[in-house]
Amino acid sequence: DADVTQTPRNRITKTGKRIMLECSQTKGHDRMYWYRQDPGLGLRLIYYSFDVKDINKGEISDGYSVSRQAQAKFSLSLESAIPNQTALYFCATSDTTEATGELFFGEGSRLTVL
Amino acid sequence: QKEVEQNSGPLSVPEGAIASLNCTYSDRGSQSFFWYRQYSGKSPELIMSIYSNGDKEDGRFTAQLNKASQYVSLLIRDSQPSDSATYLCAVIVTARQLTFGSGTQLTVLP
Repeated sequence: DADVTQTPRNRITKTGKRIMLECSQTKGHDRMYWYRQDPGLGLRLIYYSFDVKDINKGEISDGYSVSRQAQAKFSLSLESAIPNQTALYFCATSDTTEATGELFFGEGSRLTVL
Repeated sequence: QKEVEQNSGPLSVPEGAIASLNCTYSDRGSQSFFWYRQYSGKSPELIMSIYSNGDKEDGRFTAQLNKASQYVSLLIRDSQPSDSATYLCAVIVTARQLTFGSGTQLTVLP
């Protein structure tokens, strides 16, 4: 089984619908992240969490919210999906070593908003 | 100016050649630099990290860092078709968060 699991892997929805992407990890890492990947734009950080009580906005948080339900679970919500949120979303984890750049990614969740 | 910039490519090299991937960054205070590889349809994986000026070698891969020029590169020697992927440069910029470049797509031709 994957260390970082994302569900669903693929989702097609309509404009205005609420969508939740879920992420769970078995790596025991405190830090969790949500990234969005678009062609030609690379990976952009949406939200990150250093522990259950710590949630931080990333580069592109508008239109998104997150919930850190437990050390192992970090969910991303789109309250009212719009077409330009069509993208590949990655959850990632890292350990607590200062300034670590090693992220462990889930397999991705492809979201299409019609 | 983007914080981390890469030539988007695509870059094609023949099998056995050296592939050179380049990245520049804007924050002069950056201290940590990384290369991720992403196969088509897969998630990124870390392949190299470098923190000091100079070269760091790991098998066929060499990362090069020049902080004065704000430049980091990845060389792949004896390129193989299995090296065909998108290579993402990443830098810890502000607030200790990792910022990615847009990636360079590499194709190694048999």
